[in-house]
Amino acid sequence: QITLKESGPTLVKPTQTLTLTCTFSGFSLSTSGVGVGWIRQPPGKALEWLALIYWNDDKRYSPSLKSRLTITKDTSKNQVVLTMTNMDPVDTATYYCAHIYWGSDWFDPWGQGTLVTVSS
Amino acid sequence: EIVLTQSPATLSLSPGERATLSCRASQSVSSYLAWYQQKPGQAPRLLIYDASNRATGIPARFSGSGSGTDFTLTISSLEPEDFAVYYCQQRSNWGLFTFGPGTKVDIK
Repeated sequence: QITLKESGPTLVKPTQTLTLTCTFSGFSLSTSGVGVGWIRQPPGKALEWLALIYWNDDKRYSPSLKSRLTITKDTSKNQVVLTMTNMDPVDTATYYCAHIYWGSDWFDPWGQGTLVTVSS
Repeated sequence: EIVLTQSPATLSLSPGERATLSCRASQSVSSYLAWYQQKPGQAPRLLIYDASNRATGIPARFSGSGSGTDFTLTISSLEPEDFAVYYCQQRSNWGLFTFGPGTKVDIK
């Protein structure tokens, strides 16, 4: 059974850097074809894809946020870390991580999400 | 960047009725399209992948169709637990992803 769980600060100040960790079980990022993505959802709004990392360290970023995002993996800890720089109140959202396979078009399953509020 | 448009924004129906949700892409995404259901306070749940394949455990009343730029999610007969927000999502040839704005299916 694959499970994922997001962790990180619930409150960050404007201009700060956000660091989120996705800890997963039921698969390994050393296995060929496996990936983990990050998606966010502002309160009451739609989902927005942010970034993705595969087993081979191939990384993809949303073009609109690419300059602010970094995604990394720690295979030994079964973790994927997303950093987002220069946080702004509009970045207030629930941040989800999710499992994906190389070449597929779907995320499944998803973590429960973590709400991050950006406020001074 | 490929933009997804969903219509209608809100669909008001009664239990037992048929729901037809549309998703249109700004350029062809082949069959690289997925549908998700999201209920308040919950993470999205995968319903359909590759445009027409039901995910594991998804009831047969959910079906997906389409290819290229026009896609449809159909719920043949709405159950009380189906009232939720539905999102489509695509993967481009460059391995980038986008989501549509969502369609809310609410009780009439």
